[in-house]
Amino acid sequence: NAGVTQTPKFQVLKTGQSMTLQCAQDMNHNSMYWYRQDPGMGLRLIYYSASEGTTDKGEVPNGYNVSRLNKREFSLRLESAAPSQTSVYFCASRGQGWVNTEAFFGQGTRLTVV
Amino acid sequence: AQSVTQPDIHITVSEGASLELRCNYSYGATPYLFWYVQSPGQGLQLLLKYFSGDTLVQGIKGFEAEFKRSQSSFNLRKPSVHWSDAAEYFCAVAISRTGKSTFGDGTTLTVKP
Repeated sequence: NAGVTQTPKFQVLKTGQSMTLQCAQDMNHNSMYWYRQDPGMGLRLIYYSASEGTTDKGEVPNGYNVSRLNKREFSLRLESAAPSQTSVYFCASRGQGWVNTEAFFGQGTRLTVV
Repeated sequence: AQSVTQPDIHITVSEGASLELRCNYSYGATPYLFWYVQSPGQGLQLLLKYFSGDTLVQGIKGFEAEFKRSQSSFNLRKPSVHWSDAAEYFCAVAISRTGKSTFGDGTTLTVKP
């Protein structure tokens, strides 16, 4: 069972370039999330999808877009990368029990924007 | 809005010593509380969770946490730390139907030989 799979694991972009971070889960979870992790700031929610077909903004959505392609996949797009978006990005998913179930995390994507 | 505070950014303990990591939350109703651990270069792994019942919860790897409503705290403890426990630890609270979680800023644990 792979759990939550993120691609790529590492990426370097030039300012202004675009890219899409991919996330897929094989646990039949309804909810999926994108977080960014910066030193000393914990994890901050960028966007989430409570169920297939729905997406909502989190704490720090500016500069990002998301697509819930199907129940398994939730992608994060940077249309015009900026150095402030240098971070480690984590995708997570959660099952049917909403708040009282744990979130399962991917291994992360380390993104550097130069 | 809910918030989570982890007052200690960095803690160093000797191997075999006891450990307590602090977590305070702010929320008007009963929170659903979690502790996660993150090893270097890895994603987060759940250690334990609390959402009702016994206020002392047991988790994996010998960790436990106690929910104290009067102090708005959910501190993580371990009686005897192993070198492999060196990692970053995050406290989180989830309150909404969507399961959105708010995370603390994390505590980095260093274990001395």
